Amino acid sequence: AQTVTQSQPEMSVQEAETVTLSCTYDTSENNYYLFWYKQPPSRQMILVIRQEAYKQQNATENRFSVNFQKAAKSFSLKISDSQLGDTAMYFCAFMSNAAGGTSYGKLTFGQGTILTVHP
Amino acid sequence: GAVVSQHPSRVICKSGTSVKIECRSLDFQATTMFWYRQFPKKSLMLMATSNEGSKATYEQGVEKDKFLINHASLTLSTLTVTSAHPEDSSFYICSALDDRRYKAFFGQGTRLTVV
Repeated sequence: AQTVTQSQPEMSVQEAETVTLSCTYDTSENNYYLFWYKQPPSRQMILVIRQEAYKQQNATENRFSVNFQKAAKSFSLKISDSQLGDTAMYFCAFMSNAAGGTSYGKLTFGQGTILTVHP
Repeated sequence: GAVVSQHPSRVICKSGTSVKIECRSLDFQATTMFWYRQFPKKSLMLMATSNEGSKATYEQGVEKDKFLINHASLTLSTLTVTSAHPEDSSFYICSALDDRRYKAFFGQGTRLTVV
């Protein structure tokens, strides 16, 4: 079974600054996906970024980028030029890519990190 | 725009009654959908995996007779909370797996209050 750990329950950052959210995971699989989801006060889960484990290049989406260290099983999210609208709970998640397996498509979530962006 | 629609967003029901929550994928076919439960400021807890045309797979500790799941088409899964009790009050979220893009998209969630 996979586990995902987010060791930072809460983080805060000043507007326009950069913040990094940590995530580690444990799996015996070699082929999988990692995600960061954002859940603002509306509680809608929003996909922020996705990383394929077979790709060495770190994924980026505008102000959001990841530092994917496969050997260390680490997957941190960096938010640059933080905005007030980035205030939300952020979840790191793991998905197996074993098509046909019992875990296919299942997301395993970390505990979440509440990020507050201050003006 | 939203690619997965969940309805209703809020519902209040009396103890002992049943409540049905719908989850629809709007612009892709989803053979697999998932139902989660979330407590305030906590992570999402997977309840069950809904497979189109077959029985749902429930996670350990989730009562299948209490949380009935039906996935009758490639775009619709429903969760029915039967004989609801106040302890069933929670936030329920569905997600649909887009096989082509290998991404999971979430509905808006349903806040259930049992009185």
